[in-house]
Amino acid sequence: ETGVTQTPRHLVMGMTNKKSLKCEQHLGHNAMYWYKQSAKKPLELMFVYNFKEQTENNSVPSRFSPECPNSSHLFLHLHTLQPEDSALYLCASSQEAGGSYNEQFFGPGTRLTVL
Amino acid sequence: AQSVTQLDSQVPVFEEAPVELRCNYSSSVSVYLFWYVQYPNQGLQLLLKYLSGSTLVKGINGFEAEFNKSQTSFHLRKPSVHISDTAEYFCAVRGNTGGFKTIFGAGTRLFVKA
Repeated sequence: ETGVTQTPRHLVMGMTNKKSLKCEQHLGHNAMYWYKQSAKKPLELMFVYNFKEQTENNSVPSRFSPECPNSSHLFLHLHTLQPEDSALYLCASSQEAGGSYNEQFFGPGTRLTVL
Repeated sequence: AQSVTQLDSQVPVFEEAPVELRCNYSSSVSVYLFWYVQYPNQGLQLLLKYLSGSTLVKGINGFEAEFNKSQTSFHLRKPSVHISDTAEYFCAVRGNTGGFKTIFGAGTRLFVKA
């Protein structure tokens, strides 16, 4: 595998379900990100991890719970979601989070539908 | 706070015609600029980037962009588009206002017609 991979690619869940999204980067990077992409809205940054430590949480509801066990893996645990949480969830990685120049590499995304 | 404005939400164009996708950003002392492309059901892929030096930046797939500091713009251009260029294009800026965060624009949908 190369680049940034995400699983599953598609997920349909009910509002009472618990599920997790997985992201893995094979680039040797130290920073990882979760973004939410909704139709007709700018990309919304949700969480940032730098060297496994969470450095940013953009007022994300607690029904989204991130986990970063190491620099290569990032999870997004989901529970009690709402229909408006339906979106494409994108994972990205970069060499590190705080530098002046920081190109981000994106995974293909997980298309989440909440019924 | 840093901001990015993509002036057109949709740009329809005929195949082999030239295209320009517009992007303006709020000013910052130091700024790095990016264009990403997103094909259907895929993540974002970097097209090109401006870090410093020449203001005309060439990227993949025949795209180029020009950094204009006085107008705080970074418009994306291609002299002749193909059907396969149909995608969503995102301008992004990373500046030293607010701690070097990357801010994305809302996107421009390029639709190339035969």
